[in-house]
Amino acid sequence: DTEVTQTPKHLVMGMTNKKSLKCEQHMGHRAMYWYKQKAKKPPELMFVYSYEKLSINESVPSRFSPECPNSSLLNLHLHALQPEDSALYLCASSQDMRNNLRSREQYFGPGTRLTVT
Amino acid sequence: SQQGEEDPQALSIQEGENATMNCSYKTSINNLQWYRQNSGRGLVHLILIRSNEREKHSGRLRVTLDTSKKSSSLLITASRAADTASYFCATRWGNFNKFYFGSGTKLNVKP
Repeated sequence: DTEVTQTPKHLVMGMTNKKSLKCEQHMGHRAMYWYKQKAKKPPELMFVYSYEKLSINESVPSRFSPECPNSSLLNLHLHALQPEDSALYLCASSQDMRNNLRSREQYFGPGTRLTVT
Repeated sequence: SQQGEEDPQALSIQEGENATMNCSYKTSINNLQWYRQNSGRGLVHLILIRSNEREKHSGRLRVTLDTSKKSSSLLITASRAADTASYFCATRWGNFNKFYFGSGTKLNVKP
């Protein structure tokens, strides 16, 4: 199974709402990622988890809160978002590559299209 | 910024023609990867080329890497309408699980 699943596919939320994005993989990957992608732009890295621990936070505002409950699941909790946070949120996974010069490909989910009103 | 640039930003060709897109990056790399993204969807890994390789083939794809110029190119031969998508190069930063994507090339293959 080389699939990364994400739910929901689409999400519309108000600025005072609290919602969560979910991501799941069963490839045994120990690195999981959240990216944000605005229209016509490349994906921008937000967070990286390695072995269920947060290893990289790219200075993301605290209204985005990641969580990795186990090696297969990755959540992104959203609270008090702004309209400019509207974007496609992509989850990805890969073999852990820390301290390893060999890179592996990342497997991406289909994304959650988020609209903040 | 660690992110690279790709050119052209957009490319429109007829089915059967070849498509070439270029990627430039800023730091030393161990390898470079190319990804494809259909409109509004997730990215799909196409090919990885290591820093000690100069050229690599996979089906209709040909990737070259020039580390002295910090650049790579992706050639798609005999393009098909189904190749219509955005293509991104990606480089890994340091010894971490950290990737940076180029600005992307949007390819339109007309039937």
